Order: sequence, then structure tokens, then C-alpha cells
Amino acid sequence: LAKTTQPVSMDSYEGQEVNITCSHNNIATNDYITWYQQFPSQGPRFIIQGYKTKVTNEVASLFIPADRKSSTLSLPRVSLSDTAVYYCLVGDGGSGNTGKLIFGQGTTLQVKP
Amino acid sequence: EAGVTQFPSHSVIEKGQTVTLRCDPISGHDNLYWYRRVMGKEIKFLLHFVKESKQDESGMPNNRFLAERTGGTYSTLKVQPAELEDSGVYFCASSETGRVNTEAFFGQGTRLTVV
Repeated sequence: LAKTTQPVSMDSYEGQEVNITCSHNNIATNDYITWYQQFPSQGPRFIIQGYKTKVTNEVASLFIPADRKSSTLSLPRVSLSDTAVYYCLVGDGGSGNTGKLIFGQGTTLQVKP
Repeated sequence: EAGVTQFPSHSVIEKGQTVTLRCDPISGHDNLYWYRRVMGKEIKFLLHFVKESKQDESGMPNNRFLAERTGGTYSTLKVQPAELEDSGVYFCASSETGRVNTEAFFGQGTRLTVV
């Protein structure tokens, strides 16, 4: 499974858009890019997943350039409740996939009032 | 629908004792995973069940850890005997099978402290 690199921490203010970029230079052809969010004392929670271009759901958008060596999670108009750790993961979705997730250190996002 | 449930939420035991953690996955999810995070480290994969079968147990640290999933429903993770370095948060997750890149649903975790 591809290794990912993302900033250790980020600060933002309420109402701002937050963009967290993840590097995955060794991503394989069959790999998907998935982001999870984790609040203190809770387990990680799925946010969004994509393969290429742009994916949007009610929570976030995921931008993936053509070379797929990086991805950017975009959180529109964050609130204090978005303070959490955000993990970028890549993995193979093919028939050999066990679904095992490889977590990195994640990005701790602190939203300030 | 109930999410992934883990019990207990906290456990404090003495070194050398035995502890059993339980995970109830989302009903109908064949995939069940155990992960853990020890202090200051990243969340690490322990093992993966598909129904009652162990699909991948490459992350199990040593033979003091025993996971079971009898009947393919809930799972238990036993640590015997516990050591100080086993302290951490143990997460369970479940997901559906038959779909590409299915979303994994995590429980709230069990915080284990070995003293």
C-alpha cells in the first residue's frame, strides 16, 4: 500500500475554507484515495473517496490531479466542530484488496473562533 | 441502525492479567478488522476477519494476542498475559463485502491501560 505524506497540523478560523493536501507519489494504478476524520475519543470516520478528478459530497470535496500523485481534501466553511485529525489513505480496490487500512500520522486541524 | 459497538470502553488491568475486548460489527458486515494505537504512534492494523475466518493476521504483535469470531458475528480480542506495552486504544471496524473499496465503519475504541 502506498505511503502518504500530509502536514502534521493546520490552523484555521471558523467560516474559512480549509484545504489539506496529501502526497502519494507511489500510488498504484488500482489505488483509490480515501480520507477519514477522527475526533478525540472516537474511531475514524469515512469522509470521502475518489480515484481521479473531483469528487464532492455533503461534507467535503476531493481534488485529484491527473497524475494522481497528490490529492486535496477541501472543507468548505469550517466550524469549531471540524476540529479533528484528518487521515489520507490510499489502497487497492481490486480483487486482492483485503480492505486493510494503512494510517499515517494524519493532519490535526484546529479551528479557532 | 446500530453502528460498530465495542466493550468495554475502558479497561485498567495489572501486568500479567488477562483482558478480553469485544466488538459487535454492523449487522450483515462480513469484514471485521482490529486496529490499535499505542501512545504517540499511528493507528496500526492487527487483523482481518471475513465472516469467521482470519483473512490476514499479519499485524498481530505476538502470541499473547488471540482474536476470535465464532459464528461470524461478534469478535473478541484477548490479551494474555498483558504487558505494559499493550496499553493503547483498540479499534474495531467492519465493512461490507462484494463491493470495491467499501467504507469501513469504526467503533469508539477500547482504551486499555496496563499497570
